[in-house]
Amino acid sequence: KNQVEQSPQSLIILEGKNCTLQCNYTVSPFSNLRWYKQDTGRGPVSLTIMTFSENTKSNGRYTATLDADTKQSSLHITASQLSDSASYICVVTFYNAGNMLTFGGGTRLMVKP
Amino acid sequence: NAGVTQTPKFQVLKTGQSMTLQCAQDMNHEYMSWYRQDPGMGLRLIHYSVGAGITDQGEVPNGYNVSRSTTEDFPLRLLSAAPSQTSVYFCASSPTGRSTDTQYFGPGTRLTVL
Repeated sequence: KNQVEQSPQSLIILEGKNCTLQCNYTVSPFSNLRWYKQDTGRGPVSLTIMTFSENTKSNGRYTATLDADTKQSSLHITASQLSDSASYICVVTFYNAGNMLTFGGGTRLMVKP
Repeated sequence: NAGVTQTPKFQVLKTGQSMTLQCAQDMNHEYMSWYRQDPGMGLRLIHYSVGAGITDQGEVPNGYNVSRSTTEDFPLRLLSAAPSQTSVYFCASSPTGRSTDTQYFGPGTRLTVL
């Protein structure tokens, strides 16, 4: 079954610190894997998109990595800022689901001063 | 460009009432879709459209209808609201619907059914 699981569910860090969010998926290979940022009360906004053949993709202070052997992706946030407080959602497009996206439940990150 | 817009932002309904959630995009995107987001769960696809006049069901279509008479608009209709439809609804669009397209999401409609 196509599933996307994220950990931790929530995370609190101090401003300026780095953090890593995890995403595990069940079916491999896949078409692509995305990370979205969702601010409270807003719609998700795309951060990165990787195909199955890519190992890493960066967008400013956000770096997504992919380990096909462990079926895991990570989103690393460097030098966190207060504005990074949001939910981060991992989304996979599995080959056996057409173009339908499978969303993880998200990790809620809070950055404190 | 306004991007993807949704109205209303908040809505409270009584069980059995009907209503339409509006969604519009000004990016000339062919692909539009509706999702619902429930606490602790990932977004789930309700209905989608690959172009004007073409719609199809997603993962959780029961209790919802859609139509696509123009490229810009993709309304979602709740026929007879139920408490299980209490959720946050997001409309999204992308240029073609290809898996590599970036999806652009609207700001959401928070619906409560009493």
